[in-house]
Amino acid sequence: EAQLVESGGGLVQPGGSLRLSCAASGFTFSNYWMSWVRQGPGKGLEWVANIKEDGSEKYYVDSVKGRFTISRDNAKNSLYLLMNSLRAEDTAVYYCARDFKVRVPNIEVAYNWFAPWGQGTLVTVSS
Amino acid sequence: DIHMTQSPSSLSASVGDRVTFTCRASQSISNYLNWYQQKPGKAPKLLIYAAASLPSGVPSRFSGSGSGTDFTLTISSLQPEDFATYHCQQTYITPGTFGQGTKLEIK
Repeated sequence: EAQLVESGGGLVQPGGSLRLSCAASGFTFSNYWMSWVRQGPGKGLEWVANIKEDGSEKYYVDSVKGRFTISRDNAKNSLYLLMNSLRAEDTAVYYCARDFKVRVPNIEVAYNWFAPWGQGTLVTVSS
Repeated sequence: DIHMTQSPSSLSASVGDRVTFTCRASQSISNYLNWYQQKPGKAPKLLIYAAASLPSGVPSRFSGSGSGTDFTLTISSLQPEDFATYHCQQTYITPGTFGQGTKLEIK
């Protein structure tokens, strides 16, 4: 069974940094895109970033570009999110998720969905 | 970015009821629409992908429909374990944006 376990959350001051980790098991990690998704207190879900199977492509939501860096180590079956210049609005539960993509012949845009998700790790940015 | 609007924001229903949730996209997304179920303090779980497809293990009382801008998630007969928050997500254009969620509560 595919499983994801996040770690590294905690309390950090505005302007500080934090590195989140996500350990994968039960599937061939190097065959899948991976994503980070966050959920602020009492808010909806927000996709944050994703990374291609081999790490050669990375994409970010505009609000974290230049501050967050997604990376992966396929030898360690691990996904990471380095968060710099943290702001109060970055306070959220951060989930890692397997970004399942399916390409259909003759259709330009791949279908994708997130499954499974980790249990989440709480990041609180406050002085 | 594509904006996703879910309605209603909350819904009260009883075990055995048939319930329908709505999700509307700010522009056409074909059938690039997923639904997730989230219980309090837990991670979201995939319920429906590509608007109408059920992943293995999801009960058949869940169904999805729609294309373009308007989508629905239907639970044919509510079970006690279905009381949760339901999120829709478009994946037609990056970033894959989510709706604000619909909370399903026990009447």
